[in-house]
Amino acid sequence: EPEVTQTPSHQVTQMGQEVILRCVPISNHLYFYWYRQILGQKVEFLVSFYNNEISEKSEIFDDQFSVERPDGSNFTLKIRSTKLEDSAMYFCASSGVAGARDTQYFGPGTRLTVL
Amino acid sequence: AQSVSQHNHHVILSEAASLELGCNYSYGGTVNLFWYVQYPGQHLQLLLKYFSGDPLVKGIKGFEAEFIKSKFSFNLRKPSVQWSDTAEYFCAVNASGTYKYIFGTGTRLKVLA
Repeated sequence: EPEVTQTPSHQVTQMGQEVILRCVPISNHLYFYWYRQILGQKVEFLVSFYNNEISEKSEIFDDQFSVERPDGSNFTLKIRSTKLEDSAMYFCASSGVAGARDTQYFGPGTRLTVL
Repeated sequence: AQSVSQHNHHVILSEAASLELGCNYSYGGTVNLFWYVQYPGQHLQLLLKYFSGDPLVKGIKGFEAEFIKSKFSFNLRKPSVQWSDTAEYFCAVNASGTYKYIFGTGTRLKVLA
C-alpha cells in the first residue's frame, strides 16, 4: 500500500537556524498538509496546499513558515528562524480528492528539536 | 471554535475485555469523523471514518464507531481487545468545506496479556 514518507526522522537544530522538513506524498494525491504535535499536546493543523498554493492555514503558520512543492514528488516545510517552541513532531499528510470528503494519509513524522 | 474532546487519556485493559473510547466534538455544521491509531514507533493509520449514511461504522481490526449526532459523539468500540491493540488512539473531525482535521488529545491504550 502506498505510504507518505518523511525525512529526516529526527532533526536537531540551534535556535535561529533554518530547517527544511521533507515529505514525499502518495504519488497520485493532489492535496498536501502539515500538522505538528508538541510533546504532550494535540496534533495541530498548520497548512494545506493544492495546485501550488496554500488553500488553508492556521494562526500558527506565520511568516516564519513556508511550504513548497519543488518538484513532482516532494513537499517541504521550511521554518526560517527556529524558536525553542518550534520543537515538536511534524507530520505530513496527503489526500487525493478535492474537498472534505476524502481521507488524509499521514507520514511517520519528523521530530524537530530546537536547542 | 471547533474542538474535539477525548475524555480517557490512559486506559488499561486485560486481553478479551471490551473497549469503548469516548470522542465528543463541538461544531454545529456537517462534519466528517475519523479514528486514527498510532502503534509504537509507527505513523498515524486510519481505523475508520464516517462521512454519511449508516451511523454505525465498521473499521479495520474489529473496531467500530457510532456517530450520535444529537450527542456530538463518535465513540470507538471493540468487543474484545488484544495485546496488539496497545497503541494511542486519536479522534479527528473535519468540518465540511475545510481541509483541516481537528484532533483530540489522544487516548493511550495498554492491553495486558
